[in-house]
Amino acid sequence: AQSVTQPDIHITVSEGASLELRCNYSYGATPYLFWYVQSPGQGLQLLLKYFSGDTLVQGIKGFEAEFKRSQSSFNLRKPSVHWSDAAEYFCAVARFSGGYNKLIFGAGTRLAVHP
Amino acid sequence: DTAVSQTPKYLVTQMGNDKSIKCEQNLGHDTMYWYKQDSKKFLKIMFSYNNKELIINETVPNRFSPKSPDKAHLNLHINSLELGDSAVYFCASSLTSESGYTFGSGTRLTVV
Repeated sequence: AQSVTQPDIHITVSEGASLELRCNYSYGATPYLFWYVQSPGQGLQLLLKYFSGDTLVQGIKGFEAEFKRSQSSFNLRKPSVHWSDAAEYFCAVARFSGGYNKLIFGAGTRLAVHP
Repeated sequence: DTAVSQTPKYLVTQMGNDKSIKCEQNLGHDTMYWYKQDSKKFLKIMFSYNNKELIINETVPNRFSPKSPDKAHLNLHINSLELGDSAVYFCASSLTSESGYTFGSGTRLTVV
């Protein structure tokens, strides 16, 4: 069955430092992969997505992610973190069944940013 | 201008009551979803409708009954509420498999 693992439950970085959030997936075919961000008390906002083509994808708010099939990973990166990036980050994979898809989410990584 | 709107935002109710959460999207998407986020932030799909037709029905107690009067609306009715139903419920919609989902801001349900 398709699944998503986010190994880090909680990460703390200093403002201005670089960031990498890990995501590993298990899926038989080429996966459709997504990263979402959830600010406190808010819904989920799509940061970026991958389903084919260039394995390095750019998203909103200065985020990027790289799809690595050999490692079954889709890690999220940002070169310089801002205090406003503090939030919960979710990696997700689309699971297809009967012509329809549903997103399977990882458990999330909570990012804290020190001033 | 809100793309996916849910009402109410907060809902506090007693055990045994029946309640409904409403969701509307103005994006013209064909597919809508209900997700449940538990206290540990884990997100799990409950239902999905495509153009008013139920297409995904996960292992959810039959106290939960979704209804889609048209493709822009997907409501969730919950009978005989239990303490374990306390969670944040998110509505979402999507256009295609590749487009990802647009989420509402959630409904925080507290059963006391």
